[in-house]
Amino acid sequence: EAGVTQFPSHSVIEKGQTVTLRCDPISGHDNLYWYRRVMGKEIKFLLHFVKESKQDESGMPNNRFLAERTGGTYSTLKVQPAELEDSGVYFCASSRGQGSGETQYFGPGTRLLVL
Amino acid sequence: RKEVEQDPGPFNVPEGATVAFNCTYSNSASQSFFWYRQDCRKEPKLLMSVYSSGNEDGRFTAQLNRASQYISLLIRDSKLSDSATYLCVVRENNYQLIWGAGTKLIIKP
Repeated sequence: EAGVTQFPSHSVIEKGQTVTLRCDPISGHDNLYWYRRVMGKEIKFLLHFVKESKQDESGMPNNRFLAERTGGTYSTLKVQPAELEDSGVYFCASSRGQGSGETQYFGPGTRLLVL
Repeated sequence: RKEVEQDPGPFNVPEGATVAFNCTYSNSASQSFFWYRQDCRKEPKLLMSVYSSGNEDGRFTAQLNRASQYISLLIRDSKLSDSATYLCVVRENNYQLIWGAGTKLIIKP
């Protein structure tokens, strides 16, 4: 069974540009999550999809970040315009369900550097 | 105050030794507790869940003290391959994971 995949693995952009990150969850996993780790800090929750619906986007830092999951399969996270403080590692995770006993499986992450 | 606090380390430990990590969490309503392992430039991977009664998986033992809001991980007979960052994670509600910053472990031959 294929794991969670993310694309690209690395992205280097200039301040003000737009970047779109993609996440393909494990097949059959309705729940998809985005997390972020900025330099020297802990991993932080960004948002949670159940199928195509956003269940919780309380962790999204501001309106420069837009996440979508059209059709309930893969998800994209767009940053527009990117700022220096957006640099970090963006992880996607997926799980079949929610609650105790449900493990979130993580993708390898996208390393974003904004110059 | 951080929601999940860990000693960042690094812990430099000789191969074969026993090492213990601790973690405290601030939200008494937290529901589930985990230890994740993260290798350099890799994604975090679930090492083990932590149950109230304590649980063991091979050389790894995890314990939870809800009264003190404290979680521990013990690694016995440490191997070189145990070198990694160990992340203490707490789940609030049914899905949101709250992460510690991690404790770096270096096992020396």
